[in-house]
Amino acid sequence: QQQVKQSPQSLIVQKGGISIINCAYENTAFDYFPWYQQFPGKGPALLIAIRPDVSEKKEGRFTISFNKSAKQFSLHIMDSQPGDSATYFCAAFGAIKAAGNKLTFGGGTRVLVKP
Amino acid sequence: DSGVTQTPKHLITATGQRVTLRCSPRSGDLSVYWYQQSLDQGLQFLIHYYNGEERAKGNILERFSAQQFPDLHSELNLSSLELGDSALYFCASSVEGTSKTQYFGPGTRLLVL
Repeated sequence: QQQVKQSPQSLIVQKGGISIINCAYENTAFDYFPWYQQFPGKGPALLIAIRPDVSEKKEGRFTISFNKSAKQFSLHIMDSQPGDSATYFCAAFGAIKAAGNKLTFGGGTRVLVKP
Repeated sequence: DSGVTQTPKHLITATGQRVTLRCSPRSGDLSVYWYQQSLDQGLQFLIHYYNGEERAKGNILERFSAQQFPDLHSELNLSSLELGDSALYFCASSVEGTSKTQYFGPGTRLLVL
């Protein structure tokens, strides 16, 4: 119930292409879904987040799509750049006891953008 | 730079030993969270402290313990170390006790030989 499943594990995209990462969850008590970006040797950094009452959120080249009925959400990186090469983690959070009052992370996706 | 500091950056030790990892949260943040990141387990939540009190426990082994001091810095103590404890250990901080917006430190890389 606490798992967040993320796919793919790794992704190679050409510069200018679109990177798509998918996540699925089971626990309907989750009410906040952030994405974190992690560069080698660094800690994860919050990239963008969405609440389940919104179907899409866009910040620059990064867009989250959210499908509440399917319990799935995805990150789209438009016009991918070599500087976007990093590991991306989806996560889910719920403040109530049923959601654990903690961030539950997906397994991560390593994205490589080729110039 | 998130404003969260962790020391040391790297730690190499032997099985059976004990180590202490230190975390200083962002100025004004009252919550500290500890995570373990390993290749096969991803980012795993260990424990959460808010203003000196334990708030939540995750998959933290009995050999591990943590505390948050009055100045809000936190320490994670790992004892009777095993090879499988080799991992990156991150702390994160947030303003409130149930804040979903967490800021991560740069991590401590622990290698147990």
